[in-house]
Amino acid sequence: QVQLQESGPGLVKPSQTLSLTCTVSGGSISSGGYYWSWIRQHPGKGLEWIGYIYYSGSTYYNPSLKSRVTISVDTSKNQFSLKLSSVTAADTAVYYCARLDDYFDYWGQGTLVTVSS
Amino acid sequence: DIQMTQSPSSVSASVGDRVTITCRASQGISSWLAWYQQKPGKAPKLLIYAASSLQSGVPSRFSGSGSGTDFTLTISSLQPEDFATYYCQQSYSTPPTFGPGTKVDIK
Repeated sequence: QVQLQESGPGLVKPSQTLSLTCTVSGGSISSGGYYWSWIRQHPGKGLEWIGYIYYSGSTYYNPSLKSRVTISVDTSKNQFSLKLSSVTAADTAVYYCARLDDYFDYWGQGTLVTVSS
Repeated sequence: DIQMTQSPSSVSASVGDRVTITCRASQGISSWLAWYQQKPGKAPKLLIYAASSLQSGVPSRFSGSGSGTDFTLTISSLQPEDFATYYCQQSYSTPPTFGPGTKVDIK
């Protein structure tokens, strides 16, 4: 059973960089076949896809966030990470990592990140 | 980007009711559509993929249909554990996009 777990600071100051890591267990990122994604959900709102990465390092980002987003992968640790720069209060959200196999079939539990001074 | 819309935005129903939720894509997406269930404080859960295929472990009271631009999720007999918000999502093109959600609550 594949499991994903997000980790990182729950509070980030405005203009700083949000950094989160997703640790995958029960399956290897380097086995290929899946895209490893970040998705966020603003409080009380819908779901917004941020981007994904393949085990090889190929990435695709949501054009609406592309200038601020970097997703990277560490196959030795079976982890992938999100960096979102120049954050504002509008980036306050629950951030999920998820596995994309045409559809998002496995999700982490989510982590709330609040942007506030 | 492909825009996804859902109707209704909320529905009040009783246990045992048949509930139908509609999702529409801004352009044809063939059958590249999924449905997710989300309960408060939890991550979304994949229910239906490829418009009508039931994800493993999902009760058979859930079904999906449609292709092209119009899709439906049907819960044949609503159970207490089904009160949640439901989202559709297209995987036809990148970026994948979600509908705004339909909240199913207790009448």
